[in-house]
Amino acid sequence: DTGVSQDPRHKITKRGQNVTFRCDPISEHNRLYWYRQTLGQGPEFLTYFQNEAQLEKSRLLSDRFSAERPKGSFSTLEIQRTEQGDSAMYLCASSLWTSGSYEQYFGPGTRLTVT
Amino acid sequence: RKEVEQDPGPFNVPEGATVAFNCTYSNSASQSFFWYRQDCRKEPKLLMSVYSSGNEDGRFTAQLNRASQYISLLIRDSKLSDSATYLCVAGSNYKLTFGKGTLLTVNP
Repeated sequence: DTGVSQDPRHKITKRGQNVTFRCDPISEHNRLYWYRQTLGQGPEFLTYFQNEAQLEKSRLLSDRFSAERPKGSFSTLEIQRTEQGDSAMYLCASSLWTSGSYEQYFGPGTRLTVT
Repeated sequence: RKEVEQDPGPFNVPEGATVAFNCTYSNSASQSFFWYRQDCRKEPKLLMSVYSSGNEDGRFTAQLNRASQYISLLIRDSKLSDSATYLCVAGSNYKLTFGKGTLLTVNP
């Protein structure tokens, strides 16, 4: 399978615990994005990387959230001291950034439930 | 005002019907426009990009009007497999802004 992959697919955690999600983009894609989606809403942008550089962070990304893409390949999203409001689907997407090409392809997501 | 607003739906149509989705966006600096479809509890999948000249892919036709900041999607001869949530998207060169989506159910 050459699409975007995410791990784990589901995570249940207790409030206050830390969680980490992984995303592996499509192999030749140089851009990687994180979005969050709650029930009844469209995905909301959190952050993105071009190669290993994190170029933009949304105001939604509080200081409890951190994302890395250390070698410009896979990325991790960590949430510290989880809160019930963090319960959502966390979606990763990737794209091949070239002038005029903005299409993003999504992975299956990690569904987080904070109890 | 939401950045991307769509018909709230839901739409329930019989097989073979033509269904139209409408969407407006507020950021006039948006550079990229798409329709994604999302099946229940799955990830969004790119359906088609939308261009000012309009574009067609089989039974699907998308239109963009930059002057009125309006995007549309037309599905002709709808199939049961078209049942999904359709998400309208306007974006910059890195950030996609999604509407809330419109649920379509195609009935036999």
